[in-house]
Amino acid sequence: EAGVAQSPRYKIIEKRQSVAFWCNPISGHATLYWYQQILGQGPKLLIQFQNNGVVDDSQLPKDRFSAERLKGVDSTLKIQPAKLEDSAVYLCASSLWGGATYEQYFGPGTRLTVT
Amino acid sequence: GENVEQHPSTLSVQEGDSAVIKCTYSDSASNYFPWYKQELGKRPQLIIDIRSNVGEKKDQRIAVTLNKTAKHFSLHITETQPEDSAVYFCAASIGNQFYFGTGTSLTVIP
Repeated sequence: EAGVAQSPRYKIIEKRQSVAFWCNPISGHATLYWYQQILGQGPKLLIQFQNNGVVDDSQLPKDRFSAERLKGVDSTLKIQPAKLEDSAVYLCASSLWGGATYEQYFGPGTRLTVT
Repeated sequence: GENVEQHPSTLSVQEGDSAVIKCTYSDSASNYFPWYKQELGKRPQLIIDIRSNVGEKKDQRIAVTLNKTAKHFSLHITETQPEDSAVYFCAASIGNQFYFGTGTSLTVIP
């Protein structure tokens, strides 16, 4: 089966600029996650969608980050304006809805550098 | 919410030796425990997982054990090879919400 797709793979922007990332989950996966992974750390959940509804966005810096998942499939994550500390890899993941446990699959990530 | 701790943060072993990485969790409602391997510049890849109704699971050189009473689970890699060098992450899941450990950087010395 095709995996989770993300684009772009790399992005370099200056602080205060805006940037957007795109994710296409595995077909049929109702749950979609956006994680921020700073070098040397584990993935930190930014937002979790179930279909097109938000399940958890408690760690999303809402003053600058936004995300949407229209039609319950693709998702975009936006940062506006970017700060230096936003430099990280942004990972999208998806999991299948159903049953008591969920296997989660990651995309290749977008490496963001803010200068 | 759930809190997952992972130790050690770095681990070096000689090729052929075993490596063990340990994680603890805080919420007894966690019922699924995956392990991911992340090579430099690549995505985390699921390498093995265990569900709360199982105490041990093995897949070739990799095994995971779970102690629900003590709320800890461990990854065991036997006969390590240089290609096992990577960062390993544990996670605990409550339903479809995942909580990650901070990672262990494993280096296998040829």
